[in-house]
Amino acid sequence: DIQMTQSPSSLSASLGDRVTITCRASQSISNYLNWYQQKPGKVPMLLIYSASRLQSGVPSRFSGSGYGTDFTLTISSLQPEDFATYYCQQSFILVSFGGGTTVEIE
Amino acid sequence: EVQLVQSGAEVKKPGESLKISCKGFGYTYNTYWIGWVRQMPGQGLEWMGSIYPRDSDTRYSPPFQAQVTISADESITTAYLQWSSLKASDTGIYYCARFAGAGPMDVWGQGTTVIVSS
Repeated sequence: DIQMTQSPSSLSASLGDRVTITCRASQSISNYLNWYQQKPGKVPMLLIYSASRLQSGVPSRFSGSGYGTDFTLTISSLQPEDFATYYCQQSFILVSFGGGTTVEIE
Repeated sequence: EVQLVQSGAEVKKPGESLKISCKGFGYTYNTYWIGWVRQMPGQGLEWMGSIYPRDSDTRYSPPFQAQVTISADESITTAYLQWSSLKASDTGIYYCARFAGAGPMDVWGQGTTVIVSS
């Protein structure tokens, strides 16, 4: 099984901050890495796929990078609607999710 | 509009059986996998397994392999997740989502809440 490890598990940030979330795979997954956003009580939503491709309709302040085992999700300027939990997910071999990173208001 | 519509919330007792559904609309159903994802109360997302409705090729996450059965009926564009004997620890929200090959889960169902309590 491929294990996905996200860090940090939670963070506090202010509006306008640049936020970076890290995801590490237990083995190389090429660029088969996707990012999802989930707000409380809501369905997860795809943000980034293939490590760096922005899903249609997602604001350009979100970006992804990485290849192999190390990946990052960056929010360039945090907005009120970005306070949520973010999950990485690999689709290289079967499927597995990271543990999630909750972005809270500082 | 592309959407996945799941069956409604369930309240069951331990030991009971259950089958929940996920119906696809607005796309070529048999060209996408359907995955099932569990979210226990206050916890993260866990992939349970996936099915390719065209040929019923099914893959399970090891922790769920012996716990649930995933099936699909291509003719009515519906996938299923079933339990033969529920436990209290099966309480949670269950999402279905579609994905193509090794692609992302780009469309999600609204979730089905399952509560197992005596």
